[in-house]
Amino acid sequence: AQTVTQSQPEMSVQEAETVTLSCTYDTSESDYYLFWYKQPPSRQMILVIRQEAYKQQNATENRFSVNFQKAAKSFSLKISDSQLGDAAMYFCAYRPLGGATNKLIFGTGTLLAVQP
Amino acid sequence: GAGVSQSPSNKVTEKGKDVELRCDPISGHTALYWYRQSLGQGLEFLIYFQGNSAPDKSGLPSDRFSAERTGGSVSTLTIQRTQQEDSAVYLCASSLVPGFSGGTGTDTQYFGPGTRLTVL
Repeated sequence: AQTVTQSQPEMSVQEAETVTLSCTYDTSESDYYLFWYKQPPSRQMILVIRQEAYKQQNATENRFSVNFQKAAKSFSLKISDSQLGDAAMYFCAYRPLGGATNKLIFGTGTLLAVQP
Repeated sequence: GAGVSQSPSNKVTEKGKDVELRCDPISGHTALYWYRQSLGQGLEFLIYFQGNSAPDKSGLPSDRFSAERTGGSVSTLTIQRTQQEDSAVYLCASSLVPGFSGGTGTDTQYFGPGTRLTVL
């Protein structure tokens, strides 16, 4: 069964600094998607970034980038120039490519605090 | 355009009562998903709809849980004879297409704000 592990329940970063959130996953599939979602106190899950496993280039979205290590099954999120609005719960998620289900498998999340 | 909407935003009910939670997906999205987020937990998948059919119901925790989707749009999640362990935030998501999108991102799941269910 596929699993996603986020080993950091909480992280803290100073405003304008850089922070990296860790995520590892377990799968026997060779093609899949990986995602980082952000959940602020409003509960709305917001897509931060996505990575297709068949692409070797790491995805980037403005201040957000990932370090995708397929062999190590690692998918970390780097937030540069952290802002107060980045404070939220961050979830790493995995989704298999194709098949009968398109469900996301989530980790347990990392609560990020941003200190002014 | 409008995002995924869910109603009610909050629901408090007594143990043993039935509840209905509603999800309005983004217009045109063919795929719809329900997830549950229990206090301090990650999200767990409940059910997936493609159009009006549900190819994957594997996450429904018991036969007290059911869901339907009509007209390829609105979905209702029904919990019968609610128990205290049903207390959670129920999130709905939709995507334009399911499965592989060739890197176009049209299979990205967009989430609603959720319904917080409290069973007393």
